Amino acid sequence: AQSVAQPEDQVNVAEGNPLTVKCTYSVSGNPYLFWYVQYPNRGLQFLLKYITGDNLVKGSYGFEAEFNKSQTSFHLKKPSALVSDSALYFCAVRDGYSSASKIIFGSGTRLSIRP
Amino acid sequence: ETGVTQTPRHLVMGMTNKKSLKCEQHLGHNAMYWYKQSAKKPLELMFVYSLEERVENNSVPSRFSPECPNSSHLFLHLHTLQPEDSALYLCASSQDPRGTTNEKLFFGSGTQLSVL
Repeated sequence: AQSVAQPEDQVNVAEGNPLTVKCTYSVSGNPYLFWYVQYPNRGLQFLLKYITGDNLVKGSYGFEAEFNKSQTSFHLKKPSALVSDSALYFCAVRDGYSSASKIIFGSGTRLSIRP
Repeated sequence: ETGVTQTPRHLVMGMTNKKSLKCEQHLGHNAMYWYKQSAKKPLELMFVYSLEERVENNSVPSRFSPECPNSSHLFLHLHTLQPEDSALYLCASSQDPRGTTNEKLFFGSGTQLSVL
């Protein structure tokens, strides 16, 4: 069975500082990993994905994520946070071993950037 | 705008009411989804339609009834709901007709449902 965990309900960062939002996963085969962001009163928006290739994936709005197979992690990062990055962030995983598997989402991490 | 439109944005209903949520996608996608979002819980996949055929039903109670009349429209019919059904209901679409690949999902803004 596949699962994804976001251990932090909330992350607080000062504007201009680097940020990290954590995600760990569990799948039987090769993981397909995603990050989505949800701004207030909006649906989720795709940020980036890892399927294969380079472990560092670059996405929208200056975000990037690092795939670490040994630690089964896919943490979201940004070198310098903006107040406008404040939102709810979801990590998701799909088991690439099975074509019948579905995308499973975590419970979300609320990112708050203070000026 | 993501190309996925949901109506209404807010809905308040009693436990004996019947109502419907509507979703429309303007992206030419072949798969559509209903998700339930509750605070501090993982997003719950409820239903998946691929080429207008239901391909997934994640043990959702029968008081939720989906309908997909064509590839652009998806409905969620609600009847005799419970207070614990109060949540944000999100519709999404994706290009792949199988609805199961690594392609990204496009979400609507959701319907915030309150059951009294």
